[in-house]
Amino acid sequence: DSGVTQTPKHLITATGQRVTLRCSPRSGDLSVYWYQQSLDQGLQFLIQYYNGEERAKGNILERFSAQQFPDLHSELNLSSLELGDSALYFCASSVAGSGTEAFFGQGTRLTVV
Amino acid sequence: GQQLNQSPQSMFIQEGEDVSMNCTSSSIFNTWLWYKQDPGEGPVLLIALYKAGELTSNGRLTAQFGITRKDSFLNISASIPSDVGIYFCAGQLGSGGSNYKLTFGKGTLLTVNP
Repeated sequence: DSGVTQTPKHLITATGQRVTLRCSPRSGDLSVYWYQQSLDQGLQFLIQYYNGEERAKGNILERFSAQQFPDLHSELNLSSLELGDSALYFCASSVAGSGTEAFFGQGTRLTVV
Repeated sequence: GQQLNQSPQSMFIQEGEDVSMNCTSSSIFNTWLWYKQDPGEGPVLLIALYKAGELTSNGRLTAQFGITRKDSFLNISASIPSDVGIYFCAGQLGSGGSNYKLTFGKGTLLTVNP
């Protein structure tokens, strides 16, 4: 158990819908990262938050947004969903702003039908 | 952007054999990491390398940070059935902004026959 909690574990939704994925980082970790894993693209960095503020942005679509709350949990919002958004979404956390020693949650498997 | 080429894509070995996999990049990284992912789980950090030329062990695992900072390899000695999984390399530039993101290789699927 990495100490990073992601909910829900599975999500099935229809195209055009909006979903929210939730992540609770390890106790004491200030930084949260979101990654998307798909068969063709592999693990792709989406976005990073550090102590409530956006720190770095990767290949995140405009339809996707995230935030980190004062209690340090984070949410990834995916809207206007398309079939191609089906993937595993991972949250990782680390103590500092650097991504090394990042611990991953078990992921949320999103299926868009 | 940066890309990591990880090879081999898959390996089928007998229990007890040694395994070697590597990762190369078109650009330099300041940190190399190796992760293992089991089915239905998130990646688990195995080894972190912070200095060019560094050789680090974690039990039966040994990884090296290439001297050019553009490559890394991972060796697993005396493989056992629980080594089965997907192994990922990841690189990080470090020092600010999006340089903290991890760039991952596509993974090496390891199958160990008992």
